Amino acid sequence: KAGVTQTPRYLIKTRGQQVTLSCSPISGHRSVSWYQQTPGQGLQFLFEYFSETQRNKGNFPGRFSGRQFSNSRSEMNVSTLELGDSALYLCASSSDRTVAKNIQYFGAGTRLSVL
Amino acid sequence: QKEVEQNSGPLSVPEGAIASLNCTYSDRGSQSFFWYRQYSGKSPELIMSIYSNGDKEDGRFTAQLNKASQYVSLLIRDSQPSDSATYLCAVNLKGVYNQGGKLIFGQGTELSVKP
Repeated sequence: KAGVTQTPRYLIKTRGQQVTLSCSPISGHRSVSWYQQTPGQGLQFLFEYFSETQRNKGNFPGRFSGRQFSNSRSEMNVSTLELGDSALYLCASSSDRTVAKNIQYFGAGTRLSVL
Repeated sequence: QKEVEQNSGPLSVPEGAIASLNCTYSDRGSQSFFWYRQYSGKSPELIMSIYSNGDKEDGRFTAQLNKASQYVSLLIRDSQPSDSATYLCAVNLKGVYNQGGKLIFGQGTELSVKP
């Protein structure tokens, strides 16, 4: 069974641009969560999608948005990039059976560098 | 007070010793607790989950949960150099609809196992 797939693996952007990251969950998983990891702040929760609806949200500005498609694939978008958005962005998925216990499996991440 | 706090590292132990990692959390309503291992440059990998008070053993790993003290720990017996990594404690906060939720991570404890 394939794991969580994130694309692209690396991205370099400049301030003011926008970026879209993609995540394909494990087959059969309908919950997708996004996290940002930086050396200073650690791993921080961005949002969670379940059946195409945003179910939970972290404390990030509105520049960070996401969506989920009917096949459970998810995208997150960051508009008007700032230098501080440079981070590893991680996607994690959960199955219907385990979502109540929130067992999440992580993808390899997308490393975003903002210049 | 941070929502999830881990004992500061780095923690260095000799090969074959027991490594003890600790974590405290602030939300008494938390129901699910996890330990992830993250090798440098890689994504987090789930190694233990625990939901009720007491101990849970899996191979060389033992997770301990004490909800009254809001404390979670991870013991690694017979530590190996391959266990050298950052260990992340994560706690599930229930979402708005009491489903799914979001994982709140500690800052992580870096473990180094010396041959």
